[in-house]
This record gives sequence, C-alpha cells and structure tokens, in this order.
Amino acid sequence: RKEVEQDPGPFNVPEGATVAFNCTYSNSASQSFFWYRQDCRKEPKLLMSVYSSGNEDGRFTAQLNRASQYISLLIRDSKLSDSATYLCVVNVSPTDSWGKLQFGAGTQVVVTP
Amino acid sequence: GAVVSQHPSRVICKSGTSVKIECRSLDFQATTMFWYRQFPKQSLMLMATSNEGSKATYEQGVEKDKFLINHASLTLSTLTVTSAHPEDSSFYICSARGAGGAPGETQYFGPGTRLLVL
Repeated sequence: RKEVEQDPGPFNVPEGATVAFNCTYSNSASQSFFWYRQDCRKEPKLLMSVYSSGNEDGRFTAQLNRASQYISLLIRDSKLSDSATYLCVVNVSPTDSWGKLQFGAGTQVVVTP
Repeated sequence: GAVVSQHPSRVICKSGTSVKIECRSLDFQATTMFWYRQFPKQSLMLMATSNEGSKATYEQGVEKDKFLINHASLTLSTLTVTSAHPEDSSFYICSARGAGGAPGETQYFGPGTRLLVL
C-alpha cells in the first residue's frame, strides 16, 4: 500500500466551477501536510500547508481529517491557470529530524474554457 | 522566497558514462538537501538526504555506490550518477531546507534536471 494515495484524475473542470479532491495517507503519526502544485515538466511548488483546523488561501481551501486520515483541496472559481497536477505531501515521521516528505502521485486538474 | 538552482537543466549521455548534477541554494544556507527522482506520471521518490559535512543517508533500494552524493558546503550538493544506464533516465530534483528548519518546514525545490541515457 502506498504511503500517500491520490486519484490521478484528470478532473475536467469548466472555468469558473469548483473542484475538490482528496488524498489519503497511511501513517497515523504523520504531522505535517501540504499541497504542492506541479506543472508539466517542472518542479513542484508549494501551494499551501494544511492545518488541523482547515485553512483557506484565496480560492483554495484545504481540510485535514485525522480520524479518517485524509486531506482535501477545494478550488473555487477555477481559472485556466489552475490546470496542473496537485501533489499531496506528508511529513511521515514526527521523529524524523530531517523532515522527509512523502509525495502522492498527484491529481491532474484540467480547467477548460 | 528562497531560490534553489540546478545545473544542468537537461543532459543526454551515452550508457556507461557518469553525470554530475549540481544543486545550489542561492540566497540561504541549506543544512539539509534532498534528492528526488520522478518517472513519468509517478510521484517524486526520495533517493537520499544529505546534511552538510556528513555522509548522505540513502533510501531503501537506492544504490549509494551508483548515486554519489556530496554536500561539501552549505550552498552546494552534487549528485553523480555513475555508469548511467537507460533505466536511470528520469527527472532528478533537489530540494533544500534552511539552517534551523524544523521537521516539516518548507523545502525549496530546484527546477530539476532531465537525464536521458542513450
């Protein structure tokens, strides 16, 4: 079983619509959670951290459900520029002083005009 | 934000040759650097973690004698793919975390290096 699992998509979203997707993680001791965005053939870029109480950054809302071990990302009012692969990232070990990150394979979002 | 560079951005080499990839933190001191590999449509896989001045720690299944990592200064880490073979063709990405960074602190990623071994 993979440490971090995501629906690969693609999620085809009309411009202006809302899209949401989840990611599940297997290690219940995971402490830190992030959403990264990766454009085709580029490096990942941090979109937002995910906090226990949930957090919002503009059109992006992230939620954490520790009981069910999943995090979610919701994108409102989708823009064409939101088309990308969204990577779910987890810091898998609280005792790991190096802060190793575990990446999901990503969820592809395609926003169409 | 912090900037991490990688060089070269892409490289094509013949099977059996060695390739060195550099990762530099341009505006901060990186005590810890991470090397990842990503195959098409797959997730980033951590290969190794290196701390400045000490030996790298390799993930299970990664051959340390094939993927040589040197982190000689607080701003530079190098990954050398020795005796490269076509199956080593991949997207290699480094990331760096600054001095004093706590576990889970943001890692800053380099732009990646595409390696194609013929």
